Amino acid sequence: DAGVIQSPRHEVTEMGQEVTLRCKPISGHNSLFWYRQTMMRGLELLIYFNNNVPIDDSGMPEDRFSAKMPNASFSTLKIQPSEPRDSAVYFCASSGTSGSEEQFFGPGTRLTVL
Amino acid sequence: GNSVTQMEGPVTLSEEAFLTINCTYTATGYPSLFWYVQYPGEGLQLLLKATKADDKGSNKGFEATYRKETTSFHLEKGSVQVSDSAVYSCALTGFTGRRALTFGSGTRLQVQP
Repeated sequence: DAGVIQSPRHEVTEMGQEVTLRCKPISGHNSLFWYRQTMMRGLELLIYFNNNVPIDDSGMPEDRFSAKMPNASFSTLKIQPSEPRDSAVYFCASSGTSGSEEQFFGPGTRLTVL
Repeated sequence: GNSVTQMEGPVTLSEEAFLTINCTYTATGYPSLFWYVQYPGEGLQLLLKATKADDKGSNKGFEATYRKETTSFHLEKGSVQVSDSAVYSCALTGFTGRRALTFGSGTRLQVQP
């Protein structure tokens, strides 16, 4: 299995632009998580889905952030409009149905908003 | 709510030194506890875990014991190597159904030859 796939790996954009981050979870996993990592706050949950349904979005900073999971093999995290304070590494993770709580992380997308 | 507190880094050690990274937690109910490792330029990998009190997780020479009485899950290794240089993050999941991880701030370990 290729593991969790994220794209792009790096994104540099200007303030005010729309940014879309993409994630493909491990095939067969039914839970998907978006996390954000910054120097100041470490790793924080943004949102997670179970069976494509958002379960907890309490970590989404504000209305500029939105996430979708249209099917079991794809999710997007969108920021519109982007701001410099959104600069961070965004990780996607997935976990399975076996009862194991292990989450498998993608390599992350490093976002820089100028 | 749930929270995880880790010792601040960076931690700099010489090769073959003993490592301890402290982790304490606050949680409702009986969480599962994890240590994740992040090597430079890579995503997080599960290092070890423990799902109930007094369980010991171990992997690659690292160990951590789930101590309910002290709400701790300290990471230890008897002899570190240069290749252990990474960021180590303690995390927990809460009660059944809330499967997202709550992370500590991460501790950067640097091992010098």
